[in-house]
Amino acid sequence: GENVEQHPSTLSVQEGDSAVIKCTYSDSASNYFPWYKQELGKRPQLIIDIRSNVGEKKDQRIAVTLNKTAKHFSLHITETQPEDSAVYFCAASTPPSNTGKLIFGQGTTLQVKP
Amino acid sequence: DAGVIQSPRHEVTEMGQEVTLRCKPISGHNSLFWYRQTMMRGLELLIYFNNNVPIDDSGMPEDRFSAKMPNASFSTLKIQPSEPRDSAVYFCASSPKLAGGTDTQYFGPGTRLTVL
Repeated sequence: GENVEQHPSTLSVQEGDSAVIKCTYSDSASNYFPWYKQELGKRPQLIIDIRSNVGEKKDQRIAVTLNKTAKHFSLHITETQPEDSAVYFCAASTPPSNTGKLIFGQGTTLQVKP
Repeated sequence: DAGVIQSPRHEVTEMGQEVTLRCKPISGHNSLFWYRQTMMRGLELLIYFNNNVPIDDSGMPEDRFSAKMPNASFSTLKIQPSEPRDSAVYFCASSPKLAGGTDTQYFGPGTRLTVL
C-alpha cells in the first residue's frame, strides 16, 4: 500500500525566512497531494493541493512542487510569519483513485520565531 | 454551510464504559472518514464510507471499535468497552469525492476523548 514519509519532523525559522517541508510517497499511481495545516487544538485545514498533471502550484506565500519521477513533493512557505507556526501534514491519494482515501505523513511542527 | 459537525467536543469516561462519537458530514458529500490523532501515532485513518457503505475498516484497532453510517447525514463511532489507551482526539472528515478522482477532505472540530 501507499506510504508517505515527511521531513523534517520539526522546523524552526526566523520570521521572514523561507520554510520547506518535503514528502515522499511510494505508489506511482497516487495522483492527488494535499497539504493541511493544523494549529494547536484545532482541526487540520487544507492550505494547498496539487494533482499529478501539474508540476507546481502557488497561492500567495505558499507553493507546492511535485516531482512524479522521484515521487516526492514539497511545501514552500516564503516570508514566514508567526501565524504560520503550526503542524503541517502532507498526504497522498491511494489507488484506486476514486476511493477518496488519503495517506498522511507524520507531520512537521513549524515554529516561526519573531 | 456549517461544515462537518461532531459531538460531543469533549468526553471523559471511565475504563469499561461505552463511548459513542457522532458526526454529521457536509451536505452533499459522498465520503466520510474517521481518524484518530495521538502524539505517538499521528493521524490514523480508522474507517471510511462511500455513499454510506463501509469501504475500508483496516485501520480499526480492534473489535472494541465499530462504526456505522445509517444515512448520508449521520455516522457514529462506538468504543465498547473503552480503555485508557483509547484516549485521543477523534476527527471525522467528509469529501465530495468527484467522480474519477480524489478530492479534498474537510475535517470536523474533533472529539477529545479521555478514558480514565
